[in-house]
Amino acid sequence: DAGVIQSPRHEVTEMGQEVTLRCKPISGHDYLFWYRQTMMRGLELLIYFNNNVPIDDSGMPEDRFSAKMPNASFSTLKIQPSEPRDSAVYFCASSLEKGGGGTDTQYFGPGTRLTVL
Amino acid sequence: QKEVEQNSGPLSVPEGAIASLNCTYSDRGSQSFFWYRQYSGKSPELIMFIYSNGDKEDGRFTAQLNKASQYVSLLIRDSQPSDSATYLCAAGVSGYSTLTFGKGTMLLVSP
Repeated sequence: DAGVIQSPRHEVTEMGQEVTLRCKPISGHDYLFWYRQTMMRGLELLIYFNNNVPIDDSGMPEDRFSAKMPNASFSTLKIQPSEPRDSAVYFCASSLEKGGGGTDTQYFGPGTRLTVL
Repeated sequence: QKEVEQNSGPLSVPEGAIASLNCTYSDRGSQSFFWYRQYSGKSPELIMFIYSNGDKEDGRFTAQLNKASQYVSLLIRDSQPSDSATYLCAAGVSGYSTLTFGKGTMLLVSP
């Protein structure tokens, strides 16, 4: 398996622009997670999906952020409008099923490094 | 609120020594524990998971879990410069799908 795939790997944009990050989870995984990582705050869970349905978006910082999962093999995280404080590395991860015995192991994609000028 | 605490480091050890990384968690319902390694500029990669009290060994790595004391540790034997990275501890609750991550401990192994 190719693992979790994310695109783009790097994104530089100007404040106010729309940014769309993309993720393809590992085939057969039922859960998809979007994280943001910064030096100050570490790895923060933004939202996660189960079988394409958003389960918990309480980590989404504000209404400028939205996420969709139209099918089992594709998800997007959109920021509109973007702001400099959104600059971070955004990771997508997927897992097979609920917790217990390591079956909740999350596998991370390579991340998207976002810079908002 | 679920919390996973790690010393940010850096933890500096000489090549060949044993590196000991520690983690405490607040949610007693936590049952799965993970250690991820993250090289600078890269994504977290799983080293190992543990869910039973005691030790679990995998090559040079040993994870230790003590549920009564709510701590997890990772020992790296014969540390190599290539082990220099940030190590993230994560905890999961059985029946739930999310993991709570610590902020990580930076390990530096000097030649």
